[in-house]
Amino acid sequence: KQEVTQIPAALSVPEGENLVLNCSFTDSAIYNLQWFRQDPGKGLTSLLLIQSSQREQTSGRLNASLDKSSGRSTLYIAASQPGDSATYLCAVRDLNTDKLIFGTGTRLQVFP
Amino acid sequence: DTEVTQTPKHLVMGMTNKKSLKCEQHMGHRAMYWYKQKAKKPPELMFVYSYEKLSINESVPSRFSPECPNSSLLNLHLHALQPEDSALYLCASSQDPGGRLYGYTFGSGTRLTVV
Repeated sequence: KQEVTQIPAALSVPEGENLVLNCSFTDSAIYNLQWFRQDPGKGLTSLLLIQSSQREQTSGRLNASLDKSSGRSTLYIAASQPGDSATYLCAVRDLNTDKLIFGTGTRLQVFP
Repeated sequence: DTEVTQTPKHLVMGMTNKKSLKCEQHMGHRAMYWYKQKAKKPPELMFVYSYEKLSINESVPSRFSPECPNSSLLNLHLHALQPEDSALYLCASSQDPGGRLYGYTFGSGTRLTVV
């Protein structure tokens, strides 16, 4: 059964730091991996989508990498800002069940 | 239009009420989804509609009744809910069923409180 874990569960950093969020999945049989951002009480905003055949995707200050064989993805945020404060969720499209499996989330706080 | 729109944003209902949640997308996406999210937990899948037909029901209690009147609209009818059904209800859509090619687009959610 596919399980998705995100470490750390919470992270607090000063503004300007570069930071890395981690996502691990137990079964490498995936279609894709998607990173989302969620503000408190709000919906999910898609940040980046990486297909299983890709190694990384970039959007502005965000870079996501995927190492399917080791079951890992990282989301790199450059020059963090207070506006980046949110919960970040990764989700894999599992090949075997054809379902979207969410990670447990990392709650990020960037303070001025 | 690249959004999934959910209404209402907030809903308070009694246990004997009947209410509906609405979700709309005009991106031509062929699959739509309902998720339920409790505080500090990841979203949990409830229903999937693919080409306007119900393809997945994740053993959701019958007090939740989904409806897909057309390819752009998804409703969730609520009746005789319990306080533990209070949660954020999220709608999502994908261009291809399963979101294998382009991923998912989520709405901003409806915060439901059952009293």
